[in-house]
Amino acid sequence: LQLQESGPGLAKPSETLSLTCTVSGGSISHSDYYWGWIRQSPGKRLEWIGSSYYRGFTYYNPSLESRVTISVDTSKNQISLKLTSVTAADTAVYHCARIVGDSESYFDSWGQGTLVTVSS
Amino acid sequence: EVVLTQSPGTLSLSPGQRVTLSCRASQSVNNNYLAWYQQNPGQAPRLLIYEASTRATGIPDRFSGSGSGTDFTLTISRLEPEDFAVYYCQQYGWSPQSFGPGTKLEIK
Repeated sequence: LQLQESGPGLAKPSETLSLTCTVSGGSISHSDYYWGWIRQSPGKRLEWIGSSYYRGFTYYNPSLESRVTISVDTSKNQISLKLTSVTAADTAVYHCARIVGDSESYFDSWGQGTLVTVSS
Repeated sequence: EVVLTQSPGTLSLSPGQRVTLSCRASQSVNNNYLAWYQQNPGQAPRLLIYEASTRATGIPDRFSGSGSGTDFTLTISRLEPEDFAVYYCQQYGWSPQSFGPGTKLEIK
């Protein structure tokens, strides 16, 4: 299984950050798995952003819930992330990952991550 | 939110040594839903242990996890050169799931 994040590496403050994760070597429609986004800001710990099931159910970290949308495109085997009203605090490496069994569980496969810098 | 504390922040060790890393939770982790990950610079985290003590697929048996409640440990019985990395714990027993700050193993 491989996961590959893609999207702009730079976002301006107050704009919307949009990323896509393409999954290969397995189907995101597999009933045993959820799919999630995690970020890693410089000098800070990993932070779970949210998760989605292939049927469209979504679950978000309350700290980001008002600004986050995660969606799944089963036809393209992709998961997407949108984060609105970004600030410098949203500068981070964003990873997508497969989650085993539930919306909040351990991550058994990760993408390499993509760095997004928020700067004017 | 459950806060995880990992100690120490950095450890300087030599290949061949045994090491035990600590992860402490601010409250008891439901069902011992605690995982450990290894991360090398510029790479994705790699799942080592889940449910506190179950090794993930393909993980060498020199890695072992133990603990329950609020105190968990990851032990590497004999350090190999590729084991020098950052190790994170994650709890998924309480929502929102959360991660520890990491312990860095460096070569002495």
